[in-house]
Amino acid sequence: AQSVTQLGSHVSVSEGALVLLRCNYSSSVPPYLFWYVQYPNQGLQLLLKYTTGATLVKGINGFEAEFKKSETSFHLTKPSAHMSDAAEYFCAVSVDNTDKLIFGTGTRLQVFP
Amino acid sequence: EPEVTQTPSHQVTQMGQEVILRCVPISNHLYFYWYRQILGQKVEFLVSFYNNEISEKSEIFDDQFSVERPDGSNFTLKIRSTKLEDSAMYFCASSEAGRFPGKLFFGSGTQLSVL
Repeated sequence: AQSVTQLGSHVSVSEGALVLLRCNYSSSVPPYLFWYVQYPNQGLQLLLKYTTGATLVKGINGFEAEFKKSETSFHLTKPSAHMSDAAEYFCAVSVDNTDKLIFGTGTRLQVFP
Repeated sequence: EPEVTQTPSHQVTQMGQEVILRCVPISNHLYFYWYRQILGQKVEFLVSFYNNEISEKSEIFDDQFSVERPDGSNFTLKIRSTKLEDSAMYFCASSEAGRFPGKLFFGSGTQLSVL
C-alpha cells in the first residue's frame, strides 16, 4: 500500500527566505509523486509531478522537488519565498500509477514580510 | 485555463437529510473523481467514474453515496442520509487520462456541514 507523510502542518518563512516543505512516501512499487497547492477559496492545483526520469523536477512558480529513493523523500523547495506563495501544500502519491491519489495531511505555508 | 466548477461552495444540512453536490468537469475530460477532506485530516479518495459507471470506489463510499452524470456536463455526488461524520470539504476532479497519470484538475470544493 502506498502512503505519504508530510512533516509539519505549518511552516512560516520570511519573504525571500528558502521554502522547504517535507514529504516522505511509502510505496512497494516505483512511485508517481505529486505536489498540489491550494490557494484560499480555490481548488487544488498541480505544482509538479515525478513519474520517471530526472529526479529533480521543476514546477510552476519557481518550485522544485527532488525524488530521493534512498531517503523515500520528495521534498518541495523554492529558493526565495514570495508573499503570494502563502497557501496549503499537499504531497500525494499515485496508486498503481493511476489518477487515484493518496494525499498527505497538507502543510500550510505562511510568508511574513 | 479551464476550470472545474463546484456548487454550492457551502452546504449546511440536518443529519438524515439528502444532499447533492454538483460539479461541472472540464468539457473534454473523460475521468471524474470525488475526494473529500475532513477538517485536519488527509484528502481522501472517494470514487472514480468513467464511461458512465463507477470504475473504483473506496471503503468510505458506502450505500449512502452515489454518483451520477445526469447530462453531458454535470457530475453529482449524492449522500442519501447524511451523518455528522460526513461533514467535510468535498472536491470534484477531472482528467483526460485515467492511467499513467496526466493532470488532475480539481474544483474549489464544497464545504458540507451536517448539524
